[in-house]
Amino acid sequence: AQRVTQPEKLLSVFKGAPVELKCNYSYSGSPELFWYVQYSRQRLQLLLRHISRESIKGFTADLNKGETSFHLKKPFAQEEDSAMYYCALSSGGNQFYFGTGTSLTVIP
Amino acid sequence: DTGVSQNPRHKITKRGQNVTFRCDPISEHNRLYWYRQTLGQGPEFLTYFQNEAQLEKSRLLSDRFSAERPKGSFSTLEIQRTEQGDSAMYLCASSDRGQPNEKLFFGSGTQLSVL
Repeated sequence: AQRVTQPEKLLSVFKGAPVELKCNYSYSGSPELFWYVQYSRQRLQLLLRHISRESIKGFTADLNKGETSFHLKKPFAQEEDSAMYYCALSSGGNQFYFGTGTSLTVIP
Repeated sequence: DTGVSQNPRHKITKRGQNVTFRCDPISEHNRLYWYRQTLGQGPEFLTYFQNEAQLEKSRLLSDRFSAERPKGSFSTLEIQRTEQGDSAMYLCASSDRGQPNEKLFFGSGTQLSVL
């Protein structure tokens, strides 16, 4: 069965420090992995997806099939990065499965 | 606002009553999804439509839940004989399946409270 695990419910870092939000998945096929973000009082929105291999707002994520991980990283956290982050997996472009989320707080 | 629209934003009902939520997706999007989210959890998949066809339903969707998308545009989610455990945020999302970089666009959700 497909599953997405985000082991940290809460994560606090100081401004300017590196940040890594962990995501592990289980899926027997070739997954598509995403990071969605929800800023305070805003809708859930796509941050980035592994296929695009892009950097958005300084964030990057690399799909590691050997470790079945898709960790989100940013070298220097900013206060505006404080938000709820959800890792998600798509199974063949149909269902999207979400993790339980990590609440990131960047301390000024 | 050309984004995904959900109505109502909040719904308070008594146990045993029926409720209906509406979702208006982005107009050119052919896929429409319903998710449920409770406190401390991520969105849980309920069902999705490709145009007017309901292609998949989660086992979470009991027979008290029904969703429709009659003309392949807006969708409704009805919960019959509501229970306190139905209290949650109900999220709708839409996407364009034909796009190579398909992504979900979410609505603001409908917060249901069953008393």
